[in-house]
Amino acid sequence: AQRVTQPEKLLSVFKGAPVELKCNYSYSGSPELFWYVQYSRQRLQLLLRHISRESIKGFTADLNKGETSFHLKKPFAQEEDSAMYYCALTYNTDKLIFGTGTRLQVFP
Amino acid sequence: DAGVTQSPTHLIKTRGQQVTLRCSPKSGHDTVSWYQQALGQGPQFIFQYYEEEERQRGNFPDRFSGHQFPNYSSELNVNALLLGDSALYLCASRVASGGLRYEQYFGPGTRLTVT
Repeated sequence: AQRVTQPEKLLSVFKGAPVELKCNYSYSGSPELFWYVQYSRQRLQLLLRHISRESIKGFTADLNKGETSFHLKKPFAQEEDSAMYYCALTYNTDKLIFGTGTRLQVFP
Repeated sequence: DAGVTQSPTHLIKTRGQQVTLRCSPKSGHDTVSWYQQALGQGPQFIFQYYEEEERQRGNFPDRFSGHQFPNYSSELNVNALLLGDSALYLCASRVASGGLRYEQYFGPGTRLTVT
């Protein structure tokens, strides 16, 4: 079955520290992978997708098909990065399969 | 453009009752998907509507039904409410043309509490 696993419920770092939010998936084909973010009192919004190969707000994510991972990284965390982060996948449909999310706390 | 809007913001129902949630897609969008997000979980796909028809469905019972109107707005209906239906219900919209890689925009959600 298709599944997205985010092993950490909470990740706490200090401002300026590197951040890596882990995401592993199980799917036999070639899915599209996404990271969504939800800031406090805001709606869920797309942060980045693997097909775009772009950096958004300093975040990058590389799809590793061998390890079936799509970890989200940022070299220097900022306080405004504090939010809930969800990894999600889809395969040729609009049905997004989400992980359970990781809360990132960045302390000053 | 207010983006995706949902109503009501919150509501409380009793077990066995029926509920209708509403969603207006972002301007220019014609495809609407509904998700259920239980506390501490990621959103789970319920179904998607395009051209007033249900196109895809997730693993939800028939108590969950929907509708899409000619103006692309959508309703989610849940019958015979159970305590386990308490959740945040999210609506997402996108433009059908341009393939599946168009970004889905999410609404703020409706918080349903079943007592």
